[in-house]
Amino acid sequence: ETGVTQSPTHLIKTRGQQVTLRCSSQSGHNTVSWYQQALGQGPQFIFQYYREEENGRGNFPPRFSGLQFPNYSSELNVNALELDDSALYLCASSLGQASYYGYTFGSGTRLTVV
Amino acid sequence: EDKVVQSPLSLVVHEGDTVTLNCSYEVTNFRSLLWYKQEKKAPTFLFMLTSSGIEKKSGRLSSILDKKELFSILNITATQTGDSAVYLCAVRGGETSGSRLTFGEGTQLTVNP
Repeated sequence: ETGVTQSPTHLIKTRGQQVTLRCSSQSGHNTVSWYQQALGQGPQFIFQYYREEENGRGNFPPRFSGLQFPNYSSELNVNALELDDSALYLCASSLGQASYYGYTFGSGTRLTVV
Repeated sequence: EDKVVQSPLSLVVHEGDTVTLNCSYEVTNFRSLLWYKQEKKAPTFLFMLTSSGIEKKSGRLSSILDKKELFSILNITATQTGDSAVYLCAVRGGETSGSRLTFGEGTQLTVNP
């Protein structure tokens, strides 16, 4: 059974650029959530995908968008990068949306915007 | 808006000490409270609590939930240097908030030899 894998592990981008982060969910998990964790803060919910449909979104602007593929892997896209987008981006997968299922986190992508 | 507050934000102890980490919350249609340990990047799952008063235990770690007073504690006995990490508390609300987790800021625990 594989865990959640994210790529790349580190990324440096320039303000105004666009970035795509990738996540492969744990085997058998059909739900993927994305979180942004700024330095010294707890993770903040960006959005969740269940069976390729977005079914929940946090307080993030539309320039944060995502996709989930038939194999349940996922992408997070951020357009028009701002300096405040610098953070650790975490992907979490789970089997189903209900709270009695656990959430497995990946090791994250550290994004630095300069 | 769901809210989670953890205390203390930072704690420094010596090996062998016992620590108690606190988590209070406000959430619509409470479903569960989760504790995670974050050492470098990936938060690793510790406990999920759904019922009041039932202690969950794993080795030297234990946790309990009080749904009346809206808080949870995480206890670590006989601390070791390997316990040094950020401990995150998160809550999940009901359908209106999807299955998102709302996290606290975390408690940075440092265990000195």
